[in-house]
Amino acid sequence: EIVLTQSPTTMAASPGEKVTITCRASSSVSYIYWYQQKSGASPKPWIYETSKLASGVPDRFSGSGSGTSYSFTISSMETEDAATYYCHQWSRTPWTFGGGTKLELK
Amino acid sequence: EVQLVESGGGFIQPGRSLKLSCEASGFTFSDYAMVWVRQAPRKGLEWVATIFYDGSRTFYRDSVKGRFTISRDNARTTLYLQLDSLRSEDTATYYCARLGNYDGYSHWGQGTLVTVSS
Repeated sequence: EIVLTQSPTTMAASPGEKVTITCRASSSVSYIYWYQQKSGASPKPWIYETSKLASGVPDRFSGSGSGTSYSFTISSMETEDAATYYCHQWSRTPWTFGGGTKLELK
Repeated sequence: EVQLVESGGGFIQPGRSLKLSCEASGFTFSDYAMVWVRQAPRKGLEWVATIFYDGSRTFYRDSVKGRFTISRDNARTTLYLQLDSLRSEDTATYYCARLGNYDGYSHWGQGTLVTVSS
C-alpha cells in the first residue's frame, strides 16, 4: 500500500501569507490529486494531475511535484481558504489519501 | 448540472447488512467509473471501492473485501454499495463520486451516514 504522509497536519496562516503543504508518498506515484473539505461539507476537487486547477479554483493555488514528493501552495492566504486539504493517489490500489492538513486562519 | 444523491444510510447493529444507493443525473452515467469513499467521524477520507463504467471490473480496499459489493445499474443511472457483516469500524459517512479519466473525483454526493452499533 502506498502511504501518503502530509505535513503539517495542522497549521494557521494570516491573510496574505504564503502556505505550503507537502505530501510524501512511500512509493513513486504518477500524479497526486488534492481535495478541499470544509466542516460538514463534501470534499471538493481542487487540484488534479499534480498541478492542474479544478474548475473554479482561484489561481493563487498551485501544485507541483513528482515521484514521491509533492506540494500544494497558496500564494496568498484568504479567509475562504480555511479548510482541510487531502492529497490522494490512484496510481496503484489500494487508492490512498493522506491524513489531511487542517488549515486555519490566524 | 451533475448531481449525485446518496441514500440508504442509517443505524444498524454489527453483523447486519445495509445497501447504499447513489442516484446520478446530469451526465452520461454509463461513460464513467464510480467510487465510494468513506469518512469516519472526525477522521480523514478513505477509499472504499471502484467500479468500471460498464461494471466489468471492481476494486476494493482489503478491509471490506468479501463484505462489501459495489455494483451499478446504468439503465437506472444508479450506483450501489452492499454492506454485509458490518462492523463498528465501518461507521462513517459514505460518499459516492464520479471518477474522470484524468481529473480524479470530479463530483461528489452529499454523503450518507452509516452508524454500526449495538
